[in-house]
Amino acid sequence: AQKVTQAQTEISVVEKEDVTLDCVYETRDTTYYLFWYKQPPSGELVFLIRRNSFDEQNEISGRYSWNFQKSTSSFNFTITASQVVDSAVYFCALLLSGSARQLTFGSGTQLTVLP
Amino acid sequence: SQTIHQWPATLVQPVGSPLSLECTVEGTSNPNLYWYRQAAGRGLQLLFYSVGIGQISSEVPQNLSASRPQDRQFILSSKKLLLSDSGFYLCAWSGPGRLGQFFGPGTRLTVL
Repeated sequence: AQKVTQAQTEISVVEKEDVTLDCVYETRDTTYYLFWYKQPPSGELVFLIRRNSFDEQNEISGRYSWNFQKSTSSFNFTITASQVVDSAVYFCALLLSGSARQLTFGSGTQLTVLP
Repeated sequence: SQTIHQWPATLVQPVGSPLSLECTVEGTSNPNLYWYRQAAGRGLQLLFYSVGIGQISSEVPQNLSASRPQDRQFILSSKKLLLSDSGFYLCAWSGPGRLGQFFGPGTRLTVL
């Protein structure tokens, strides 16, 4: 069975600090996809990124970057120069290939960026 | 482009009353549809998913039921609400060519 672990329940940083959110996953499948979602106080889950299991290239999008390492089954998310608007709950998720395309979510990390 | 709608946005209901939450998707055909519940502020629990009209899979036995009367419509229902049904309900869709799930704005349900 697959599993996603986000060991950091809550993180607080001061604005402009860098912060890394950890995500560790478990699966026996060789083809899978990893995701990060952001849930601001409004509640809606916002899709941030998708990564394929066969592509370990790291990705940068503005202040966001993602480090995917199959050797350690990790897909960590770094926010550089954090801003108050980054305050949210962040979820990591795993998708296995299959007809129903069900996501397995981690428990989420509450990030608070203080001014 | 695809959009997903949920209503109502918020709902306060007494214990024992019925429930009907609606979710519709635009801009895609034959999507997979999902209902999640988020209680206690964080964890996402998959309640139901559907791969087609009339096809519903239940993940967790509970007081709720789901139906899919049309291709892009997904309804979450209950005949008698319990206090434990309070939470934030999210609908999501997935479809061909777009890996992952995309979420609606959610419905915040409070059962008193």
